[in-house]
Amino acid sequence: GESVGLHLPTLSVQEGDNSIINCAYSNSASDYFIWYKQESGKGPQFIIDIRSNMDKRQGQRVTVLLNKTVKHLSLQIAATQPGDSAVYFCAEKEYGNKLVFGAGTILRVKS
Amino acid sequence: DGGITQSPKYLFRKEGQNVTLSCEQNLNHDAMYWYRQDPGQGLRLIYYSQIVNDFQKGDIAEGYSVSREKKESFPLTVTSAQKNPTAFYLCASSPRGLNSYEQYFGPGTRLTVT
Repeated sequence: GESVGLHLPTLSVQEGDNSIINCAYSNSASDYFIWYKQESGKGPQFIIDIRSNMDKRQGQRVTVLLNKTVKHLSLQIAATQPGDSAVYFCAEKEYGNKLVFGAGTILRVKS
Repeated sequence: DGGITQSPKYLFRKEGQNVTLSCEQNLNHDAMYWYRQDPGQGLRLIYYSQIVNDFQKGDIAEGYSVSREKKESFPLTVTSAQKNPTAFYLCASSPRGLNSYEQYFGPGTRLTVT
C-alpha cells in the first residue's frame, strides 16, 4: 500500500533556532495529516493536525504546512528548546480511522 | 484524570510462552488500536477495534490475538507463534464520528522475550 515517509532521519539544531521537519506522502487522496512527538520510552503525543483543505495551521510555537501539489508536509518549531528533543512522526489517515505512520525524525537540540 | 493506561511498563517472558498486555481507557472512546514499535522504526498496526465485540487485523497481526469484550479494555496476547515478539507495544484509542482522527496513546509496554 501507499505509505508516508520522511526525508531526514536526524535533525540537529541549536537551542533558540527554528526547526523544520519534513514528510513526504504518496497517497494523493489523503485528506488528513497529523504530527506526533515521542520522547524516549513514552507513547506519542499529539502536536498538531491539518486537513487537506488547508495549506497551513498554527499552534503554540508549531506550524504545519501542507503542499498538496508535491505531496509534502512539514512541521516547523519556533525557538527550539531542549525539551523539544524527541522523535517526530507524521501520519496520514487511511480508510476508516486508521493512521499510517512514517518512520520518524530524531530532533536533537544543542544547548 | 482521563487517559489510557498500559501495564506493566516492562515485561519479561521466556520463549514459547504466551503473554497478555493490558490496555484500559476511561475516555469513552469507541475505537482502540495496538501498535508495535521496533528501534528506529515507526508504528505498525497490529489490530484495531472500532466498537465493542468487533476487531480487525492490522498490517502485522500474525502471532497476535485480541479481544474487545468491554468498551474500556482491549488486551493484546502475544502468542508463541510470533517469531520476533521483543518490541515496544503501544495502545491507542480514538473517538468515532468526530472531525478529528487524533489517536490518544498510552505509555507503552516494553516486552522482552528471551
